[in-house]
Amino acid sequence: AQSVTQLGSHVSVSEGALVLLRCNYSSSVPPYLFWYVQYPNQGLQLLLKYTSAATLVKGINGFEAEFNKSQTSFHLRKPSVHISDTAEYFCAVSTHGYSTLTFGKGTMLLVSP
Amino acid sequence: NAGVTQTPKFQVLKTGQSMTLQCAQDMNHEYMSWYRQDPGMGLRLIHYSVGAGITDQGEVPNGYNVSRSTTEDFPLRLLSAAPSQTSVYFCASSYGQGMSNGYTFGSGTRLTVV
Repeated sequence: AQSVTQLGSHVSVSEGALVLLRCNYSSSVPPYLFWYVQYPNQGLQLLLKYTSAATLVKGINGFEAEFNKSQTSFHLRKPSVHISDTAEYFCAVSTHGYSTLTFGKGTMLLVSP
Repeated sequence: NAGVTQTPKFQVLKTGQSMTLQCAQDMNHEYMSWYRQDPGMGLRLIHYSVGAGITDQGEVPNGYNVSRSTTEDFPLRLLSAAPSQTSVYFCASSYGQGMSNGYTFGSGTRLTVV
């Protein structure tokens, strides 16, 4: 069965810092991987996705993630975060023949001035 | 271009009451699914459907029923609400196994059972 582990339920950084949010997955088939962002009291917004093309994936708002098959990882990073990046971030892997998603438990990112 | 529409946005139920959370999509997507979000738990799959007339259970199906009579609609029914079902519910849709566009999520229904 597919699963996702996000290391660190809370991450706090200063504005302008580099941030790395970690995600490891397990999958018995070639995975499709996703990062979603959820701002307070809002729904889920797709940041980026990996669907077996380039291993370095660029998303919206300056985020990027690298697929590493040998380490079964899909870490999310942003070179310089802004206060507006404060949100919860979810990593997810496709499941049930790619018809659903299995989510990690989320990482709350707090960016302070 | 509505995408995925969930209604209602907020609901308060008493223990034992029943209700239906509505989900509709206008993108002709094959796949639809329901998730619940609880603090510290991420989103967990309740039920899903790979096409009209086909549904299956996810990780946390107990206490919920679904049906998919049309491609567009995928309602979630709570037969006898319990406080443990207090949560935020999200419906999602996607098409095909290519997954090139990922999933489209509704804006959610915040349910409180008292």
